[in-house]
Formats: sequence, structure tokens, C-alpha cells
Amino acid sequence: DAKTTQPNSMESNEEEPVHLPCNHSTISGTDYIHWYRQLPSQGPEYVIHGLTSNVNNRMASLAIAEDRKSSTLILHRATLRDAAVYYCILSAYGGSQGNLIFGKGTKLSVKP
Amino acid sequence: DVKVTQSSRYLVKRTGEKVFLECVQDMDHENMFWYRQDPGLGLRLIYFSYDVKMKEKGDIPEGYSVSREKKERFSLILESASTNQTSMYLCASCVPGQVPGYGYTFGSGTRLTVV
Repeated sequence: DAKTTQPNSMESNEEEPVHLPCNHSTISGTDYIHWYRQLPSQGPEYVIHGLTSNVNNRMASLAIAEDRKSSTLILHRATLRDAAVYYCILSAYGGSQGNLIFGKGTKLSVKP
Repeated sequence: DVKVTQSSRYLVKRTGEKVFLECVQDMDHENMFWYRQDPGLGLRLIYFSYDVKMKEKGDIPEGYSVSREKKERFSLILESASTNQTSMYLCASCVPGQVPGYGYTFGSGTRLTVV
């Protein structure tokens, strides 16, 4: 499975945008990019996913580099509730449903 | 809101006990998963199931078994609990599709302590 690399931690101020980077230089052409986040004392929750084009939903935006070797999760206005560990995960199109591999993620702190 | 419910939030068991962790989802999802989460190791897949009575081993199945007699319920069983099974256990479910990893819903977790 292709691996992802994320910074261990990041800090942000409340109401400012946050850009969370993820490197995946060995991504294959059929790998989807997923982002999940885990709030304190909760299970992970799905945030967004994409393949090649940038994606937007009510929670965040996903910007994917043209060569797909990196991506960025964008939180447009961070709130205190966005403090969580953010995971960037790859999965292969048509692959096994059981091989969602969570790395260590990026711990995002949001300061008031 | 769709839900994955784990029966216990905190559990303390003795070494050698047989332990049952229960997970129920109300979304009619075919796929269900059990992970454990440990500091520095992230989430690791123990078992998953893609249908009633079907199961597949994940990365760390040793010391565990599972049961899926009904679509909505997936149980994790520790046959003889040991202290190295002290961990946070997370259940998840999803609809199978061509994009693995899309739309997993997780429970809030069971923090198991084996003494």
C-alpha cells in the first residue's frame, strides 16, 4: 500500500484558515485520497475524499496537486471544535474494504 | 443521524476472562470492522466482516475472534484476556463500494483495561 506522510502537529488560531498537508509520493493512478479526523475521546469521522480534482463539502476542501503526489486539507475557518487528529489515507479503487490504514496523523491545536 | 453504538465506554476485566465487546449499527451496512488504537501505533485492524457469518482477519487477529450472526451486530471476543490487550477498541461500518475507505462510520470506542 502507498504510504502517506503528515506533520506530527500543527497549530492554528480560531477563525483562521488551516492548511493540513499530506505527501503521498508513491500514490498509484487508482488510489483515492481520504481524510478522516478524530476528536478527543471519539472514534474517527469521515471528512472528505478525492481522486484527481479538488473537492469541497460542508466540512472542508481537498486540494490535490496536479501530479497527485501531495494533497492539502483546507479548513476555511477553524473553530475550537476542529481540534483533532487528522488522518490522510490512501485506498485503491476496487480494493479490499478492509485495508484502510490509519497512520499517526496530524494533531491540530486551535487557539482561541 | 446514523449510528454505530458500542455497548460499553469503559470496561475493566481480569486476566484470563472471556470478554465480549458488542457493536451495533443502524445503517444497514454490510461491512463492519474492529480496530484497536494504541498510543504511537495508530489504528490497527483486527477483523472485518462483509456479510452475516463472514469474517476476515485483519493485521492483528491473534488472541481475538469475532461473531456476526445478524447484519447489524458485530461482536469482538477476547478468548482469554491478557494485559497486552489493554487498549481502545473501535468498531466501524460502511457500505461496500468501489471506493474502499469512503464513508466509514465509527463508534465512540470502548476503553478496555485488563488487570
